[in-house]
Amino acid sequence: DSGVTQTPKHLITATGQRVTLRCSPRSGDLSVYWYQQSLDQGLQFLIQYYNGEERAKGNILERFSAQQFPDLHSELNLSSLELGDSALYFCASSVRGGGTEAFFGQGTRLTVV
Amino acid sequence: DQQVKQNSPSLSVQEGRISILNCDYTNSMFDYFLWYKKYPAEGPTFLISISSIKDKNEDGRFTVFLNKSAKHLSLHIVPSQPGDSAVYFCAASWGNQGGKLIFGQGTELSVKP
Repeated sequence: DSGVTQTPKHLITATGQRVTLRCSPRSGDLSVYWYQQSLDQGLQFLIQYYNGEERAKGNILERFSAQQFPDLHSELNLSSLELGDSALYFCASSVRGGGTEAFFGQGTRLTVV
Repeated sequence: DQQVKQNSPSLSVQEGRISILNCDYTNSMFDYFLWYKKYPAEGPTFLISISSIKDKNEDGRFTVFLNKSAKHLSLHIVPSQPGDSAVYFCAASWGNQGGKLIFGQGTELSVKP
């Protein structure tokens, strides 16, 4: 158990809908990262928050947004969903913003039908 | 632009022998490198890391070697065990990018009894 909690574990939704994925980082970790893993793809960095502020952005679609709350949990919002958004979404956390390992949650498997 | 590359999608090794997983990178700004292990339907699990100021780091059966001039790192597992069968990802980060990890595509290791 990495200490990073993601909910829900599975999500099935229709095209055009909006979903919210939730992540609780390890106790004491200030940095939260979101990654997407599509079929046969590696882990693609989406976005990072550090202590409530956006720190880095990857190839995140405009339809996607995220935030980190004062209690340090984070949410990833995916809207106007398309079939191609079906993927595993991972959250990771680390104690600081760089130069250290990140610990991953179990992931949320999103299926868009 | 694939900044971190794992050119071998799969590797098969006999139990007890050495497993060597390779990773190449193109960005000379990377200063921290990590290896993760991933089982199906689970999040990546941190294995071992190395800073760019070192050329070797060892932890039990796992050793990571870094060759900065060749922009190459490798993970050695000795001796290999059937439980090591998983997908292995190398990842890299650099300090002023806040710690986001850039992942390779992964190598699936199969350790046969």
